[in-house]
Amino acid sequence: DIVMTQSPDSLAVSLGERATINCKPSQTLSESSDLAWYQQIPGQPPKLVIYGASTRESGVPDRFSGSGSGTDFTLTISSLQAEDVAVYYCQHRRTFGQGTKVEIK
Amino acid sequence: EVQLVESGGGLVQPGGSLRLSCVASGFTFKNYWMAWVRQAPGKGPEWVANIRHDDHRNYLDSVEGRFFISRDNAENSIFLQMNRLTAEDTAVYYCARVGLNTGYDVNDYWGQGTRVTVSS
Repeated sequence: DIVMTQSPDSLAVSLGERATINCKPSQTLSESSDLAWYQQIPGQPPKLVIYGASTRESGVPDRFSGSGSGTDFTLTISSLQAEDVAVYYCQHRRTFGQGTKVEIK
Repeated sequence: EVQLVESGGGLVQPGGSLRLSCVASGFTFKNYWMAWVRQAPGKGPEWVANIRHDDHRNYLDSVEGRFFISRDNAENSIFLQMNRLTAEDTAVYYCARVGLNTGYDVNDYWGQGTRVTVSS
């Protein structure tokens, strides 16, 4: 089974600054279409942010972007807002990463 | 508006059983795969099972033979029958819709979850 490893486990970013989260599958993903990102605000269910590695879900602000292929994928928040404080998870098919907690510096 | 509402969680003793339900609305239910995803306290999500419109099912290895997922397309509902529960099954259980064009097992809508606690 493919293991999804995220880095860092947590990061603190100033408001308006860039936040970058990495996701590394243990094997090359032959289909980038199978990589998704979720945002989970405390006390809420996960919310789909990015699918197909780089496609924003409807209604997601354009400061969120996804990129990557193979064994390296990235979620970028270009200008962090207070409402972006959350834990972010990558997912390949039925496997989730361990999560990255994003906080305000 | 898509809505998924779970029910049926609670406290159960090890070895016991519980049946979770999820009622869906706001979309053509029969066209979608549906799934259960759980999240243990302080942990990330863990996929548990999914079911296709024609009742084709898949399970997480650790629940195969203990859990049974089903659906009622007439009632826009899915269910999770959980038997022989252990402490490792303690989690919030989410009902989730699998997106049509979002890739394998990508969940585009989630319910608020129902909490299952297995403890004596």
